[in-house]
Amino acid sequence: DARVTQTPRHKVTEMGQEVTMRCQPILGHNTVFWYRQTMMQGLELLAYFRNRAPLDDSGMPKDRFSAEMPDATLATLKIQPSEPRDSAVYFCASGNYQPQHFGDGTRLSIL
Amino acid sequence: GENVEQHPSTLSVQEGDSAVIKCTYSDSASNYFPWYKQELGKGPQLIIDIRSNVGEKKDQRIAVTLNKTAKHFSLHITETQPEDSAVYFCAASRTAGGTSYGKLTFGQGTILTVHP
Repeated sequence: DARVTQTPRHKVTEMGQEVTMRCQPILGHNTVFWYRQTMMQGLELLAYFRNRAPLDDSGMPKDRFSAEMPDATLATLKIQPSEPRDSAVYFCASGNYQPQHFGDGTRLSIL
Repeated sequence: GENVEQHPSTLSVQEGDSAVIKCTYSDSASNYFPWYKQELGKGPQLIIDIRSNVGEKKDQRIAVTLNKTAKHFSLHITETQPEDSAVYFCAASRTAGGTSYGKLTFGQGTILTVHP
């Protein structure tokens, strides 16, 4: 089965450091989503792209977060500078509109 | 925007019993309703979905019902097994129109525990 691949699976770093998370969507999917999951807020949509163009990033703190799709096989989510409140699991999902298929996430811990 | 409420937050059943999880949504334009299962350390996995032109859909032990008038939909799992234990999420989306096209709004999740 085709899968969404996310790297790294785990990341521990100190406050203030830059963090980059990567996602390889399923080949042929035209939409890529970034979500953040925490116990308190549940699953929150941060940003999404369609045909590599950003459609909506209203869920993202824009002063420190940025999302890009340099090509159809790679989506990136960057945090600079990172803060302890950014600790969460970050998921990427892809689809042709619906349904969305999720990767297994990057578990991020900011000390 | 869309708001999805999910109940209960936790559900404990004995193996072989049925489990029902309910969700309500606020946006009458939503027309796509998936259910996801999330196991520990994994991403959410789609288990069943329903579109608004259908009132019920079944896949083996799993069924989903939709009441568009009341704006609620439910997940039914029959003959539960210990491997059904996980967190279940409902979600709602529009499949056409505007910048919200394709965005999923998730419920808060239900922790289902099936006791052997």
